[in-house]
Amino acid sequence: AQSVAQPEDQVNVAEGNPLTVKCTYSVSGNPYLFWYVQYPNRGLQFLLKYITGDNLVKGSYGFEAEFNKSQTSFHLKKPSALVSDSALYFCAVRKISSGSARQLTFGSGTQLTVLP
Amino acid sequence: NAGVTQTPKFQVLKTGQSMTLQCAQDMNHEYMSWYRQDPGMGLRLIHYSVGAGITDQGEVPNGYNVSRSTTEDFPLRLLSAAPSQTSVYFCASSSRTRGTGELFFGEGSRLTVL
Repeated sequence: AQSVAQPEDQVNVAEGNPLTVKCTYSVSGNPYLFWYVQYPNRGLQFLLKYITGDNLVKGSYGFEAEFNKSQTSFHLKKPSALVSDSALYFCAVRKISSGSARQLTFGSGTQLTVLP
Repeated sequence: NAGVTQTPKFQVLKTGQSMTLQCAQDMNHEYMSWYRQDPGMGLRLIHYSVGAGITDQGEVPNGYNVSRSTTEDFPLRLLSAAPSQTSVYFCASSSRTRGTGELFFGEGSRLTVL
């Protein structure tokens, strides 16, 4: 079975400061890892993914995430937060060998609030 | 390019009523799925399909039914609505042969069961 933990329900950060949203995962074998963002009353939007290769992945809107295999983590980061980054963020995992099933397991979400 | 389209966006039902949430995608994706989103629980997979004529259960399938007669459409049926099914429902799709599992989501359908 695969699982994702987002240990913080809420993260507050001042505009212009760096932000980190934490994610740890559990999966047998090698993972595909994803970050999605959800704005109020909207569907989830893809931000970035880790498949293989460089542990630092860059995505949309200036976000990046660092894959750490030994710590089974995939934390989302941004060097300078914007008020418009305020949203609900979801981490998700899929086992590489899950073939055609494409089943993603999502974390419970972290509400990011960027304060002006 | 519409992507994934869900209807209706909002629905109120009484306990015991049945209804169908519609989902259509125009990206020729083989894989389609339904999730429900509840506060503090993230998204939980209800049912999924890897192609026309093939469906399977996810994590929380009880009380829901699906069918996949075409590549484009994947409706979710609530057979006898219960208050526990009050939630926001998301349909998502992805390609089996292109990409690496990135899901494309609809805007959601907010269901209230009284």
